[in-house]
Amino acid sequence: QQPVQSPQAVILREGEDAVINCSSSKALYSVHWYRQKHGEAPVFLMILLKGGEQKGHDKISASFNEKKQQSSLYLTASQLSYSGTYFCGTYSYGKLTFGQGTILTVHP
Amino acid sequence: DGGITQSPKYLFRKEGQNVTLSCEQNLNHDAMYWYRQDPGQGLRLIYYSQIVNDFQKGDIAEGYSVSREKKESFPLTVTSAQKNPTAFYLCASSIGQGGTNTEAFFGQGTRLTVV
Repeated sequence: QQPVQSPQAVILREGEDAVINCSSSKALYSVHWYRQKHGEAPVFLMILLKGGEQKGHDKISASFNEKKQQSSLYLTASQLSYSGTYFCGTYSYGKLTFGQGTILTVHP
Repeated sequence: DGGITQSPKYLFRKEGQNVTLSCEQNLNHDAMYWYRQDPGQGLRLIYYSQIVNDFQKGDIAEGYSVSREKKESFPLTVTSAQKNPTAFYLCASSIGQGGTNTEAFFGQGTRLTVV
């Protein structure tokens, strides 16, 4: 079963912040985050491996709460380059499934 | 350079025909995956393989078939039984064998259009 993401779309001005959520009805052992530009391949952002873990890269960070079976991606001081579709992915017995995606648009 | 290659980039198919999409990787990865992407639908898993000569159905396997005769290759055949094959198809690979802590690498995709 695919994880569920929210919101489906976000529109920001440069410098604003955003949060994208990912939840699962199944137990989560790890959560992956990817970003895809239109017509291109998804690009890996980060993996969170255990509950309570937080990771960050530049101004993009994420948290993972395994008890609540959810993860959140935080984008702070957004840049134009952050525009794209963000996917969370989860593994279950070798099966890698993704949420439906969150479309993020950053305007000047 | 290591990577994952899909071909062709664009493919046109007449109704009733089978077509095969190629996916090759030189990353020495055990696991490979096929996804279908439609607007607003995200990435839906078609088939996946954790090891050579073995593969499993994903969430939307009907109308598709795969083979995994070599570690580096995982071709996808879209059969005439697939009712709505027009979509963007993505192949991915990862280390596999329980490697939940490793990233997946994606190919550049094949855009299939039925004419």
